[in-house]
Amino acid sequence: GENVEQHPSTLSVQEGDSAVIKCTYSDSASNYFPWYKQELGKGPQLIIDIRSNVGEKKDQRIAVTLNKTAKHFSLHITETQPEDSAVYFCAASTGGGADGLTFGKGTHLIIQP
Amino acid sequence: DAGVIQSPRHEVTEMGQEVTLRCKPISGHDYLFWYRQTMMRGLELLIYFNNNVPIDDSGMPEDRFSAKMPNASFSTLKIQPSEPRDSAVYFCASSRGGQYYEQYFGPGTRLTVT
Repeated sequence: GENVEQHPSTLSVQEGDSAVIKCTYSDSASNYFPWYKQELGKGPQLIIDIRSNVGEKKDQRIAVTLNKTAKHFSLHITETQPEDSAVYFCAASTGGGADGLTFGKGTHLIIQP
Repeated sequence: DAGVIQSPRHEVTEMGQEVTLRCKPISGHDYLFWYRQTMMRGLELLIYFNNNVPIDDSGMPEDRFSAKMPNASFSTLKIQPSEPRDSAVYFCASSRGGQYYEQYFGPGTRLTVT
């Protein structure tokens, strides 16, 4: 089955700086890669996603890049703000009738004032 | 829309007892997913349904776990008998479609088995 590795497990950045979270996946058939944000005491919430036919996608301060050859994808957050503090999860979906997601272990992002 | 509703929010039970977790998906969503979250293993997919039919239960850890979806607006995850290692946060999520559709997560049920 699919295996998703996520790094780092904790990331502390100064407010206003950029944050980058990286993930690798094992199944070359994976073709959908969402990112979820989880705030304390809540369920994860989708913030951005990318399909395998696209190399990069942006949404305001958030961007995701995908390198299918290397089987890795990254989340980039620019101009970080205090409300960006949360746990971020990457995930992969293999498709071919498999609709569930395989998640990375998560990154605790801390924005220092 | 009220979002995905889960109950109870917290459950504390003794080892050996039966536990039933409940989920009401968002109206109109055809897919329902059950996940378990622990510090050690992260977020794991347990089982998912499409149009009330279980599609993939390969993530269910043991026969002690069972899930049902008797209708489009209700699902249960049952653990019988419960064990301390079942302690985790259990999330239910629903989506309008399969792979490429956003999964909307409920607030979770925090289960503690003593």
